[in-house]
Amino acid sequence: GAVVSQHPSRVICKSGTSVKIECRSLDFQATTMFWYRQFPKQSLMLMATSNEGSKATYEQGVEKDKFLINHASLTLSTLTVTSAHPEDSSFYICSGTETGATDTQYFGPGTRLTVL
Amino acid sequence: AQSVTQPDIHITVSEGASLELRCNYSYGATPYLFWYVQSPGQGLQLLLKYFSGDTLVQGIKGFEAEFKRSQSSFNLRKPSVHWSDAAEYFCAVVRRGGYNKLIFGAGTRLAVHP
Repeated sequence: GAVVSQHPSRVICKSGTSVKIECRSLDFQATTMFWYRQFPKQSLMLMATSNEGSKATYEQGVEKDKFLINHASLTLSTLTVTSAHPEDSSFYICSGTETGATDTQYFGPGTRLTVL
Repeated sequence: AQSVTQPDIHITVSEGASLELRCNYSYGATPYLFWYVQSPGQGLQLLLKYFSGDTLVQGIKGFEAEFKRSQSSFNLRKPSVHWSDAAEYFCAVVRRGGYNKLIFGAGTRLAVHP
């Protein structure tokens, strides 16, 4: 149980284009989803927290206009990297918590974004 | 402010040897603590968690962790390491309130020699 998927697993795009990453909870309803960024050999940095049906809450220093988050349903959250640049290249990981059991996060497999 | 410290950035053990990964936390109240494992290029898998009760927690893949309040520690142990245990291990504490965000340690990279 508590499986989270991400799509795509890997994406390469040109500088200036936008990229959308999907995060789905497959066997549970995720009222809250989190988006993280991980640089090579480093820990996870929380980017934002999203609640179904409401605006995401961004961590300090994260540009909300660059990293658009939508949490339209209890099983789907999307992260759109707008006007991507090479410095946005990173490993993006999402997680979700089950409704009524919000202390444990279940993580997706991650999306490797490379911006050329 | 809450924080998590994993003092060992990199650990190498021989296959079959015992393992202990250290984790220290800073938190005013009773913490909710987690250990996650990340294989290369993968997301995080929950190994075990501690919320309350028995301070020795059993997890998946033969791992266990012991919560010691007096030492503010939550060390991860395994009696006999397998080559497939080579991965990055993260300790985390929940930052209570609001959406219960996770605060991660820097991680410990485990290498296993045959």
